[in-house]
Amino acid sequence: EPEVTQTPSHQVTQMGQEVILRCVPISNHLYFYWYRQILGQKVEFLVSFYNNEISEKSEIFDDQFSVERPDGSNFTLKIRSTKLEDSAMYFCASRLTDRVTYEQYFGPGTRLTVT
Amino acid sequence: LAKTTQPISMDSYEGQEVNITCSHNNIATNDYITWYQQFPSQGPRFIIQGYKTKVTNEVASLFIPADRKSSTLSLPRVSLSDTAVYYCLVGSREYGNKLVFGAGTILRVKS
Repeated sequence: EPEVTQTPSHQVTQMGQEVILRCVPISNHLYFYWYRQILGQKVEFLVSFYNNEISEKSEIFDDQFSVERPDGSNFTLKIRSTKLEDSAMYFCASRLTDRVTYEQYFGPGTRLTVT
Repeated sequence: LAKTTQPISMDSYEGQEVNITCSHNNIATNDYITWYQQFPSQGPRFIIQGYKTKVTNEVASLFIPADRKSSTLSLPRVSLSDTAVYYCLVGSREYGNKLVFGAGTILRVKS
């Protein structure tokens, strides 16, 4: 069964450093998302991406965050200058069609630890 | 987006049927009801989605009464591996199909 993959599984970085989290969505999917989950808290939407542009972003997704689909397979989330409060699990997700469906396929996540 | 309310936690035993009810009093006409499952340190996984009446797949059933102000996820004959957090989500296409998660219901299955 096709699956979303994410790398790295765990990233440790120092405050103020830039990090790039990588995702390979399912190959024929068209819609891509990033979510995050701070330890012990709920999953939060960050951004959605379609047709090579951001379609929606949350208040969390400020100027420190950016997303890119540099080629036909990768989908990346960049945090320019990490803060302690960015420590969380970051999940990438993808969806196939434009139909009314909420069936998103999530990756295993990247645990980001900012020290 | 309609606010959802579900129990914080539930306990069950292996082999039992588990029903988790979600309240969504302010559901809009265009809203669909979706349930996700999440194991610790893993991404959420889609279980089932419905608009009205009953939907069944190989994993679960979803019961939605006529007024659609609540829904019930039914898991038949649970096993230890069904211990997870279960999320009820309500949303419409207007919101770009982003998922808005609440706190979910922690289901603990005991032997």
